[in-house]
Amino acid sequence: DIQMTQSPSSLSASIGDSVTITCRASQKVNDFLNWYHQKPGRAPKLLNDLTCNLQTGVPSRFSACGSGTDFSLTISSLRPDDFGTYYCQQGFSPPYTFGLGTRLDIK
Amino acid sequence: EVHLVESGGGLVQPGGSLRLSCAASGFNISTSRMTWVRQAPGKGLECVAKIKEDGSEKHYVDSVKGRFSISRDNAKKLVYLQMNSLGAGDTAMYFCATLDDLGTFDIWGQGTLVTVSS
Repeated sequence: DIQMTQSPSSLSASIGDSVTITCRASQKVNDFLNWYHQKPGRAPKLLNDLTCNLQTGVPSRFSACGSGTDFSLTISSLRPDDFGTYYCQQGFSPPYTFGLGTRLDIK
Repeated sequence: EVHLVESGGGLVQPGGSLRLSCAASGFNISTSRMTWVRQAPGKGLECVAKIKEDGSEKHYVDSVKGRFSISRDNAKKLVYLQMNSLGAGDTAMYFCATLDDLGTFDIWGQGTLVTVSS
């Protein structure tokens, strides 16, 4: 199985800050890398697929990139609604594994 | 509007069984691979079962093989997860989700909580 490693596991930031979360796959996943945002008690919400392709309705403050094994998600101008946990997930090879998540808290 | 609504969770004793249901609306379920993704308390996400559009292929994570069974009724727009021989390690929120051709879990339900405890 492909292992997905996210860092950091948690971080604190203030409204208006920019943050970057990284995700590393244990083997190449080409562009099949997705990011999700989950708020407590809610289902995950898909942010983007195919590494850089933002879903409709996701603000342009979110940007994702990467290739092969190394990927990142950057959120600029943080807003209160951005806090929660972010997960990366590879869609290249089943089982389609998730990272353990990065918890983003308000400082 | 597209919706998935799970039901059937609850408190069950170790060794017991539960059947989860997922009701779809607003889209054609018969063209979607369907999955069950679980999240143990305070933990990450794990796809435990998935089923092909026509039900002809099913796949399970090793930890549930032989105990869980996924099925679907496209006419009724329902997906099921039969869970047997439940243990404490199965305690989790169970989400129903669609899986597209890019390996993306794109539509999610709100989840149903399964607690295995005596």
